[in-house]
Amino acid sequence: DGGITQSPKYLFRKEGQNVTLSCEQNLNHDAMYWYRQDPGQGLRLIYYSQIVNDFQKGDIAEGYSVSREKKESFPLTVTSAQKNPTAFYLCASSGLANTEAFFGQGTRLTVV
Amino acid sequence: AQKVTQAQTEISVVEKEDVTLDCVYETRDTTYYLFWYKQPPSGELVFLIRRNSFDEQNEISGRYSWNFQKSTSSFNFTITASQVVDSAVYFCALSEIYKLSFGAGTTVTVRA
Repeated sequence: DGGITQSPKYLFRKEGQNVTLSCEQNLNHDAMYWYRQDPGQGLRLIYYSQIVNDFQKGDIAEGYSVSREKKESFPLTVTSAQKNPTAFYLCASSGLANTEAFFGQGTRLTVV
Repeated sequence: AQKVTQAQTEISVVEKEDVTLDCVYETRDTTYYLFWYKQPPSGELVFLIRRNSFDEQNEISGRYSWNFQKSTSSFNFTITASQVVDSAVYFCALSEIYKLSFGAGTTVTVRA
């Protein structure tokens, strides 16, 4: 089936550890996105990538890093510099500019 | 900078009532796209509609309708004869090329 796969669905980490969230798409989309969702704050853009080997910071990039070595993959690393990492993280992809984005099922990260 | 405001945090209605969700946006661009997404309890966002800045025609799709008014920078969404399955969080979003920004979302609860 075509779509976006995020793994794992639930992730627990100790404070101070880096953690990498996986996002894979088989839709042949050029653009990929990472969003963070907190209760009452909607979706906030962390990073986005329009093409392979290129990415831009979104509105809340501090404490996060990404890579885009392959078209189908856009992993997000939550570093120890992120002060409040516990949240629901959503990955998305889109084809041409300004077309609808397709979302994965999300990863709920809890840092204890 | 682009911005999307959804002033209604939560709306609760009884089944078969109509419900209108407000969305107001800010952008300096003359070309942009607006979207509505639905997020059911499962967490994955579902695309509902896309509208470009040059098309102000209202649209109806089954029980859903959208009213785009460029003069007031609004893109409102109405669910007619609501059903319990409409219970979800609804997001309005604004796209400028590849950057897709979301509002805070409106939680709709439809009671039987």
